[in-house]
Amino acid sequence: DIQMTQSPSTLSASVGDRVTITCRASQSISTWLAWYQQKPGKAPKLLIYKASSLESGVPSRFSGSGSGTEFTLTISSLQPDDFATYYCQQYYSYSWTFGQGTKVEIK
Amino acid sequence: QVHLVESGGGVVQPGRSLRLSCAASGFTFSNYVMHWVRQAPGKGLEWVAVISDDGSNQYYADPVKGRFTISRDNSKNTLYLQMNSLRAEDMALYYCARSNPPKSYGSGKYWGQGTLVTVSS
Repeated sequence: DIQMTQSPSTLSASVGDRVTITCRASQSISTWLAWYQQKPGKAPKLLIYKASSLESGVPSRFSGSGSGTEFTLTISSLQPDDFATYYCQQYYSYSWTFGQGTKVEIK
Repeated sequence: QVHLVESGGGVVQPGRSLRLSCAASGFTFSNYVMHWVRQAPGKGLEWVAVISDDGSNQYYADPVKGRFTISRDNSKNTLYLQMNSLRAEDMALYYCARSNPPKSYGSGKYWGQGTLVTVSS
């Protein structure tokens, strides 16, 4: 099974900060990686698919990069609406595997 | 507009069964691979199972293999999850999610709002 490791688990940042979250796969997954945002009491929302493709309607301050086993999600200028938990997800195989999540908190 | 609406959650005793449903609308259901994903209270997302667009292939996470069965009725635009021999660790909010693009095991573009399963004696 493919394991996904996200870091950090928690991130404290201020509005306007540049934020980077890292995700590492236990084996190469090419670019079959997605990033989701989840707010309390809500379903996950797809932000990025195929490692770097921005989902329709998602602000351009969100970007993704990487391939193989190393991936990053970057928020170029953190906005108040961005305080949430972020998950990476591999879909290289039939199954999905999620990272453990990164909670972005207000500093 | 795509809608996924889960139902069937509730309180169940350990060892008992429950069947979840996910009613889909706003797209051609039979063209899409569908997943169940769960989230225990205060925890992260855990993939549970997937079924191909035509229902011929199913795959399961190890913790539920042999106890849960994913199925679909394309004539009713509905996805199911039959959960048997429920355990305390199965207690979670269960989401259905649609893969994208059509006929592929892609990322989860659309999710329902979830249905809560509580396992307690």
